[in-house]
Amino acid sequence: SQQGEEDPQALSIQEGENATMNCSYKTSINNLQWYRQNSGRGLVHLILIRSNEREKHSGRLRVTLDTSKKSSSLLITASRAADTASYFCATDGSGGFKTIFGAGTRLFVKA
Amino acid sequence: KAGVTQTPRYLIKTRGQQVTLSCSPISGHRSVSWYQQTPGQGLQFLFEYFSETQRNKGNFPGRFSGRQFSNSRSEMNVSTLELGDSALYLCASQQVINTEAFFGQGTRLTVV
Repeated sequence: SQQGEEDPQALSIQEGENATMNCSYKTSINNLQWYRQNSGRGLVHLILIRSNEREKHSGRLRVTLDTSKKSSSLLITASRAADTASYFCATDGSGGFKTIFGAGTRLFVKA
Repeated sequence: KAGVTQTPRYLIKTRGQQVTLSCSPISGHRSVSWYQQTPGQGLQFLFEYFSETQRNKGNFPGRFSGRQFSNSRSEMNVSTLELGDSALYLCASQQVINTEAFFGQGTRLTVV
């Protein structure tokens, strides 16, 4: 089964609104990463947060990590139509040497 | 710095055939991972290579195999293709496992 699971599966918002996506995982991790994928293309790395960090910012992105709840959230502020994409969280799976991705959240930002 | 290059970009094969996909990582990256992406299953981990050694393998049948060469380029092979193998196959390179991964554009395989 997947290490990471995103919630919601799909999200539709208006341009200018904030979008929040959540990720839950099952085992202990060293770090958690968020990626974006535009339709049918490769994934682009957004941000990495280490297990000893609680919050991280990058531009309009804010990521939080709660290791006690085994969960993370990605907040995109002041969303734009260009933010329309699928967003994935990824964690290092048990056994090492692999990065496990969740099923993703599909975000649609209406202009 | 050139990105991750996957070839070919698109491929159509017939059931029962075999296929080989290629991935050239970013220069200096020695870790290469492969993923299968389908609408129903999301991104599934196939395997990871480092310095020509497979360090981990996902839950896929033995028809899926791979290798890595001394220049870090990697290939994956799928034998006896099935319709369910139709997917986008993504390759990612990393300097060290579990750090930022750089993805290629993928190879879209269609099995008919």
